[in-house]
This record gives sequence, structure tokens and C-alpha cells, in this order.
Amino acid sequence: GDSVTQKQGQVTLSEDDFLFINCTYSTTTYPTLFWYVQYPGQGPQLLLKVTTANNKGISRGFEATYDKGTTSFHLQKASVQESDSAVYFCALVPNSAGNKLTFGIGTRVLVRP
Amino acid sequence: NAGVIQTPRHKVTGKGQEATLWCEPISGHSAVFWYRQTIVQGLEFLTYFRNQAPIDDSGMPKERFSAQMPNQSHSTLKIQSTQPQDSAVYLCASSLLGGREQYFGPGTRLTVL
Repeated sequence: GDSVTQKQGQVTLSEDDFLFINCTYSTTTYPTLFWYVQYPGQGPQLLLKVTTANNKGISRGFEATYDKGTTSFHLQKASVQESDSAVYFCALVPNSAGNKLTFGIGTRVLVRP
Repeated sequence: NAGVIQTPRHKVTGKGQEATLWCEPISGHSAVFWYRQTIVQGLEFLTYFRNQAPIDDSGMPKERFSAQMPNQSHSTLKIQSTQPQDSAVYLCASSLLGGREQYFGPGTRLTVL
């Protein structure tokens, strides 16, 4: 079955630091890859989508890129702010019938002022 | 756009009682998904409806859990004879038909005492 591996459990940064979170995936199809962000007491919010066609997505200062060769995709932001503190999930939807999301375990990002 | 609406936001039940969780998808979205989120297991897919028809319930526990979508404006997840291990945040998401982006509600936190 499909799987997503997100090894970084927690990342602690200071404001203006560079953020980088990596995920690897396994699937038999050409997936669409997502980054979701979750704030306390809320559901996950869609942050970025990356397809195998465009390889990159950009939103709200975040950038996601995809590497088919290593079946990995990562999220980065050049300069984080305290408001970026949240849990970030990578996820995939297979390019086949049925669109259920398979999520990574999540990375808690804490940005200190 | 009100987003996905889930009620109640919090529910506390005693062991053995029934719990019914409600979801109202975004207007115009024809696909509805249910997920469960726990600290240990992370975000897990439960079941999926498309145009109100059940498409995939591969994530649903075989006993005590059922889901329905009686009309295009709401879906319910019912848990009979709740057990402490059912305690989790239950999340509903919706998407456009054929769309891969899923939009989540705030979740219902179920606590089984």
C-alpha cells in the first residue's frame, strides 16, 4: 500500500531561520503530493500541492519541491516567523481511483521569537 | 464559504454508550471523507463517499463503526458501544468531484470515559 515517511518529529527554530522538512513516499502510482498545516484546535489546512508534472508549489512564503528519483518531497521557507509554529504534515493521493489521503506522522515546528 | 462544519466540537461518552458525529461538507463538494487522528496512530483514513454513495470503507473498524450520507449536505459517523480506545479527534473533509484537494473541518474530539 501507499506510505509516507516523515522522520523529523520536532524542529525548533528562531525567527528568520530557514525551515526545511523532508518526506519520502512509496506508491505504485504517480501521486499528487500535499503539505498540510495544523494549528491547535483546528483541522489540517491545505498549504501546498505538488504534482509530478510541475515538481514545485509555492504558497504563503513556503515552497514545496518533489524529486521523483529519490521519491522524496520537501517543504521549505526562507525566513520563519513565530506565527509559523504549527504541525506540518506531508501526504499523498495516488493517481488511481479513490482519493484517500495517506499522511506522514507530522513535524511539530516551534519558532521562538 | 463556511468551510466544512463538524458538530459537536467535543463529545464525552461513557463506555458502552453510542456517539454520533455530524459533518456538513462545503457546498458543491461531492466527495466526503472521514479520518481519525490520535497521538499514537496519527491521521488515519476511515471512509469515503462520492455523490452520497459509499466508495471505500477500508479504514473503518469492522465492528461498532458505521457511516452514512443520507443527502448531499451531511454525513454522519456513528460509533456504537464506545470504548476508551475510540477516544480521538474525528475529522471530516470534502472535495470537488474529481478534485484531489481535500478541505478539513475542525474535527470532533471524542472522549470515552
